[in-house]
Amino acid sequence: NAGVTQTPKFQVLKTGQSMTLQCAQDMNHEYMSWYRQDPGMGLRLIHYSVGAGITDQGEVPNGYNVSRSTTEDFPLRLLSAAPSQTSVYFCASSLSRQGLTEAFFGQGTRLTVV
Amino acid sequence: AQKITQTQPGMFVQEKEAVTLDCTYDTSDPSYGLFWYKQPSSGEMIFLIYQGSYDQQNATEGRYSLNFQKARKSANLVISASQLGDSAMYFCAMREGRHTGNQFYFGTGTSLTVIP
Repeated sequence: NAGVTQTPKFQVLKTGQSMTLQCAQDMNHEYMSWYRQDPGMGLRLIHYSVGAGITDQGEVPNGYNVSRSTTEDFPLRLLSAAPSQTSVYFCASSLSRQGLTEAFFGQGTRLTVV
Repeated sequence: AQKITQTQPGMFVQEKEAVTLDCTYDTSDPSYGLFWYKQPSSGEMIFLIYQGSYDQQNATEGRYSLNFQKARKSANLVISASQLGDSAMYFCAMREGRHTGNQFYFGTGTSLTVIP
């Protein structure tokens, strides 16, 4: 029962570097999303997807790209890392795009940009 | 306007006592779901309890119950018989049911400390 698998758990980047955070789920969930968590601000939505080939922006999309080529995978790309992107990132998936079911979260990635 | 408001940045409770964590929400959608998540110091997000807008009764899951007051748009989490392991951040979240791609809206969280 893997659920939502997110890698890596920790990452340090230099300003300007690019990287991809990986997210995979094995529950056949249609809905997947990426959040960032910053102190005092809760979780803010970066990008989300309602199915393979369909993505859309959330509240804080600038500096990030996503793609959804399969139902299982939803990688998040940082194009040119900035110190403001230092945060904890969570990937989440949900059973139904329209339903009111809970989201299942990955373990999180703690990213530091120096 | 904030979709989810949690006004208690930090709370303390004595072990074995009950504690209520406040959450208010804002939506015009008649169909929505309310969720509570727990985030211990290890960082993972753990789903605790769900309340649907059309549910007639308050949701309960073991020691967790959700005090749902629809007219007041509040969805407070009640933890009974607090344990040391309940010390964590708690997030209230809402999901509207109006359309596809409906995202989760999260509050800023409440840090709960259980005192022995």
